[in-house]
Amino acid sequence: EPEVTQTPSHQVTQMGQEVILRCVPISNHLYFYWYRQILGQKVEFLVSFYNNEISEKSEIFDDQFSVERPDGSNFTLKIRSTKLEDSAMYFCASTGGAGRVGGYTFGSGTRLTVV
Amino acid sequence: AQSVAQPEDQVNVAEGNPLTVKCTYSVSGNPYLFWYVQYPNRGLQFLLKYITGDNLVKGSYGFEAEFNKSQTSFHLKKPSALVSDSALYFCAVNTGFQKLVFGTGTRLLVSP
Repeated sequence: EPEVTQTPSHQVTQMGQEVILRCVPISNHLYFYWYRQILGQKVEFLVSFYNNEISEKSEIFDDQFSVERPDGSNFTLKIRSTKLEDSAMYFCASTGGAGRVGGYTFGSGTRLTVV
Repeated sequence: AQSVAQPEDQVNVAEGNPLTVKCTYSVSGNPYLFWYVQYPNRGLQFLLKYITGDNLVKGSYGFEAEFNKSQTSFHLKKPSALVSDSALYFCAVNTGFQKLVFGTGTRLLVSP
């Protein structure tokens, strides 16, 4: 069964450093998303991406965050200057068509720890 | 604003007994509802979804959910719980342009 792959699985970074979280969505999917989950808490929407541009973003997704699809397979989330409160599990997801119909496939997540 | 509520932080059930994990929703228009499960240190695994049609939806691992429009609910059920079902369960609704809005999660603990 096709999977969404995320790397790395764990990342520890110092406050103020830049991090890039990587995702390889399912190859024929068109819509891509980032979510985050602070430890044991709610899963929160960050951003959706379609046709090489952001289609929607949440209040959490401020100027410190950016997304990119640099080639035909990768989808990245960059945090420019990490803060302690950015520590969370970050999930990438993709869907083939309108998410309402096709459902979403999530990756296993990247656990980001900012120290 | 669209939202889902999972009123129980934790549900405890003995193995072999039926289980129910509750979810209610609030949306404008027709809801598209999902259940996901998260095992410790793992990602979100899709269980089932309601889009349209039959109100009783069957999903993975023997789970099912019933869409009830009058009660705005989408409770997750399983006739006979297994210890291996112990995990964190999230209800979610599709809203706006594609994104999912998640509930706060319910921890299911199945005792032997």
